[in-house]
Parts: sequence; structure tokens; C-alpha cells
Amino acid sequence: GAVVSQHPSWVICKSGTSVKIECRSLDFQATTMFWYRQFPKQSLMLMATSNEGSKATYEQGVEKDKFLINHASLTLSTLTVTSAHPEDSSFYICSAKVRGAPNTGELFFGEGSRLTVL
Amino acid sequence: DQQVKQNSPSLSVQEGRISILNCDYTNSMFDYFLWYKKYPAEGPTFLISISSIKDKNEDGRFTVFLNKSAKHLSLHIVPSQPGDSAVYFCAASEGSQGNLIFGKGTKLSVKP
Repeated sequence: GAVVSQHPSWVICKSGTSVKIECRSLDFQATTMFWYRQFPKQSLMLMATSNEGSKATYEQGVEKDKFLINHASLTLSTLTVTSAHPEDSSFYICSAKVRGAPNTGELFFGEGSRLTVL
Repeated sequence: DQQVKQNSPSLSVQEGRISILNCDYTNSMFDYFLWYKKYPAEGPTFLISISSIKDKNEDGRFTVFLNKSAKHLSLHIVPSQPGDSAVYFCAASEGSQGNLIFGKGTKLSVKP
């Protein structure tokens, strides 16, 4: 099956610094990638949808200036948490749709990135 | 307000028995439903899906049932195996290309 890789899998940073998380589709092209956030014992919450070569579409309540998303190529999307604060500590997961795949709605997920802001 | 609800945070089943995971939704526009399985520290993996034109979809040990009038779907795993122990997320969308809305998940433990 298609593989989506996230890096780093775990990052600890100081409050006020910025952190970049990468999401790569390893063996397929992804025209659309999604970024989710999961709090403990909570569901996956969609943060934004990014399409290659265009600006990301953010869900209501998600600060686009805080969570910068770049989808510069068909295999890479990045999420940058700017000026991170402890409340940004969470598990961030990306997913991707295979370009040209049948409309199954199936998404391939990365392994997730655990962000801890001190 | 949660549009997709998994009211049981956990479920424990004996190996070999049937596991039944339940999911309810409130948005009548949802017409595509999926189940994902998630192990700790890993991303979810797709398990099985069903569109609203069907009421049942089966794939090996996994069967998903959809009751549109009750806005309810369930995932049956039979026979359950210890390797099935994971968190199962129910997700729904409007159309197969719509954004997925996830439930909170149900942690399944299958005991040998």
C-alpha cells in the first residue's frame, strides 16, 4: 500500500520557538494532503487541507498564521507551528490522497508527530 | 457538537469471540463511512468502508453494517484475535471525496 512518512516523530521545543513537521508520500503523488491534530482521548480534528501549489484551506478556529502549511510538491507538505506554546503540545498527523486513485475516500496516514512545548 | 460519536471508549473481548464496535452520526448528509485502526504511536490505517447505497460490506473477518434510518453503523470482527487490539476510529464524509469527520475512537482489547 501507499506509504506516508512524517518527520520528526517526536519533538520537544521551548516556548516561543517554531517547529516544522514534514509529511512525505514515499511511493505515490499526493495532490491533496490533510493535517490533523489529536488531543488525548479525543478524536482526530482536521486542521487544514493543502493542495499542491495552492494555499491551504483551514478549518474554522485554526489560526493560519500560527499553523503554516506549505505543499510545495506532489510528495511533500510541511506544517510549521510558529511561536509554539505549551497549549500547542499535541499529536499531529498528516494524511494524503493518492493522485488519480479511484474515489474511495481512503486516506493514507503518516505515523504522527508528537510535539511537546516546554 | 459531535457529528460522529463512538460512545464506548473501550471494549474488551475474548479471543475467538465477536467484537462489535458501534458508531452513531447526526449529519444526514453523510453518505460515506470508514473505519480506521490505530496502534499506539502510529498513524491510523484504513480498514473498511461503506457507502450509503449499501447496508453491509464484508472483507474477511471485518464486516461493517449501516443503518441509515437510525444513523448508526457498526464494525463486526469475527473471530477476534489479540492482534486486533487497537483503537478503532469511525469516520464519515459527505461523498467519497469529502473531508472525514472522526469519532473519538474505541479501544479494543482482545484477550487470549
